[in-house]
Amino acid sequence: AQSVAQPEDQVNVAEGNPLTVKCTYSVSGNPYLFWYVQYPNRGLQFLLKYITGDNLVKGSYGFEAEFNKSQTSFHLKKPSALVSDSALYFCAVRDAAGGYQKVTFGTGTKLQVIP
Amino acid sequence: KAGVTQTPRYLIKTRGQQVTLSCSPISGHRSVSWYQQTPGQGLQFLFEYFSETQRNKGNFPGRFSGRQFSNSRSEMNVSTLELGDSALYLCASSRLRATNEKLFFGSGTQLSVL
Repeated sequence: AQSVAQPEDQVNVAEGNPLTVKCTYSVSGNPYLFWYVQYPNRGLQFLLKYITGDNLVKGSYGFEAEFNKSQTSFHLKKPSALVSDSALYFCAVRDAAGGYQKVTFGTGTKLQVIP
Repeated sequence: KAGVTQTPRYLIKTRGQQVTLSCSPISGHRSVSWYQQTPGQGLQFLFEYFSETQRNKGNFPGRFSGRQFSNSRSEMNVSTLELGDSALYLCASSRLRATNEKLFFGSGTQLSVL
């Protein structure tokens, strides 16, 4: 079975500082990993994904994520946080093994960027 | 191109009633999936439809059902509503049924059961 964990319910960071939102996963095969962001009263929006290749993935709005196979992690990062980055962030995983797999989401991390 | 459209945006029902939620995917998208979002639980997978057939189902009771039409529009139904069914119900679509595809989400239907 596949699973994903976001160990922090909330992350607070000052505007202009780097931010990290943590995600770890568990799959039996190779992982397909995704980050989505949810702004208040909106659905989720895709930020970036890792399928294969370069461990550093760049996405929308200046976000990037680093795939670490040995630590089974896929942390979301941004060099300089903006107040407008305040939102709910979801990590998601799909197992590449065994044919088509539904996606499993983490419980979400609320990012609060303080002016 | 229009995004994923969910209607209605808000619903208030009482226990024991039933409700139907609608989702229109992005034009050309054939896969539609549904999720229940509650605080602290994240997104829980309900079911997925592709080419009018249910392909996957999550761990929800039989009170939760859905269907997909030939134009890829989808509906989900919840019968005999319970207080615990209060949640944001999200629909997502993708062009193909592929594991590496990203999902496009609607804004959701906020269901309140009183």
